[in-house]
Amino acid sequence: AQSVTQPDIHITVSEGASLELRCNYSYGATPYLFWYVQSPGQGLQLLLKYFSGDTLVQGIKGFEAEFKRSQSSFNLRKPSVHWSDAAEYFCAVGAPIYSSASKIIFGSGTRLSIRP
Amino acid sequence: GAGVSQSPSNKVTEKGKDVELRCDPISGHTALYWYRQSLGQGLEFLIYFQGNSAPDKSGLPSDRFSAERTGGSVSTLTIQRTQQEDSAVYLCASSPWGQPNQETQYFGPGTRLLVL
Repeated sequence: AQSVTQPDIHITVSEGASLELRCNYSYGATPYLFWYVQSPGQGLQLLLKYFSGDTLVQGIKGFEAEFKRSQSSFNLRKPSVHWSDAAEYFCAVGAPIYSSASKIIFGSGTRLSIRP
Repeated sequence: GAGVSQSPSNKVTEKGKDVELRCDPISGHTALYWYRQSLGQGLEFLIYFQGNSAPDKSGLPSDRFSAERTGGSVSTLTIQRTQQEDSAVYLCASSPWGQPNQETQYFGPGTRLLVL
């Protein structure tokens, strides 16, 4: 069965430091891949998504993610974090072939805290 | 433009009571989704609407949960005979074309339900 794993429940980084949030998926073929962010008191917002093509995807707020087929991973990165990046981050996967039951599956999330 | 709205933002109820949660999607969006987010958990898919029909209701946890969508717009999630384990944040999302595996989903702020 398809699944998505975010191994880190909580990460703390210093402001200005680099960030990498891990996401691994289990699928028979390359799925559609997403990263969403949930800031305190706000709804989830899409950061970026990958369907095909260039394996390095640029998103909003200076985030990027790299798809690595050999590792079944889609890790989220940012070169220098800001205090406003403190939030919950969710990786999600969607089936590679559309059907009426092709919902996306969310990981359990990684909570990011920023150290001043 | 207007985003996804949900009401009420907070709901406190007593065990055994029925509750109704409302979602107003982005105007013109074909698909509408309901998720449940429990404390420290990821997003649990509940049900998905394409127009007024629900191709996938596989995530509804029990027959106490039901949902409907009318006019291809507003949706109501009803929980009958609420239990304490129903306490969670209920999130609604919509997307333009009804291809849930690959479209960006636009989320509302959620309804926080507390069952005493």
